[in-house]
Amino acid sequence: DAGVIQSPRHEVTEMGQEVTLRCKPISGHNSLFWYRQTMMRGLELLIYFNNNVPIDDSGMPEDRFSAKMPNASFSTLKIQPSEPRDSAVYFCASSWGAANTEAFFGQGTRLTVV
Amino acid sequence: AQTVTQSQPEMSVQEAETVTLSCTYDTSESDYYLFWYKQPPSRQMILVIRQEAYKQQNATENRFSVNFQKAAKSFSLKISDSQLGDAAMYFCAYTSGTYKYIFGTGTRLKVLA
Repeated sequence: DAGVIQSPRHEVTEMGQEVTLRCKPISGHNSLFWYRQTMMRGLELLIYFNNNVPIDDSGMPEDRFSAKMPNASFSTLKIQPSEPRDSAVYFCASSWGAANTEAFFGQGTRLTVV
Repeated sequence: AQTVTQSQPEMSVQEAETVTLSCTYDTSESDYYLFWYKQPPSRQMILVIRQEAYKQQNATENRFSVNFQKAAKSFSLKISDSQLGDAAMYFCAYTSGTYKYIFGTGTRLKVLA
């Protein structure tokens, strides 16, 4: 398996623009997570899905952020409009769903909003 | 609410020596799982070791071992015979039956040649 695949690896955008980050989880995994990593706040859980259904989106910072999982093999995280403080590395992770299994991470998308 | 605390922002160790990274957590659950992840400069998050709370025996993976103290809610990682490739950020993580993983703020490990 190719692992969790995220695209793009790097994104530079201007303030006010819409940004869409994409994730393909590992086939067979039924839990998917979006994390944001910054120096100041570390790894923050933004949202997680189980069987394509959003279970907990309490970490989504504000209404400018939205996430979807239309099927078991694809998820998006959208920021509209983007702001400089959104600059961070965004990780997608997936797991099999049992609590004792590890979460497998993608390589992250480094987002820079100028 | 569950929390994970890593109180050491940065640690250094001489090559071939042993280092211990600290992690404490807070939970009211009785059944949960703990992990240590490594994040090298490549950004990839790599699982180092996992521990089930119901197991009294400390987990070991080659040069990596944990000291799990359930009553104290402590979960430290010991790296023996440190190698230059061990230099990375290390994150402690917790999950319970909700499948929600909670991470600490990380410890940056430097390995000195």
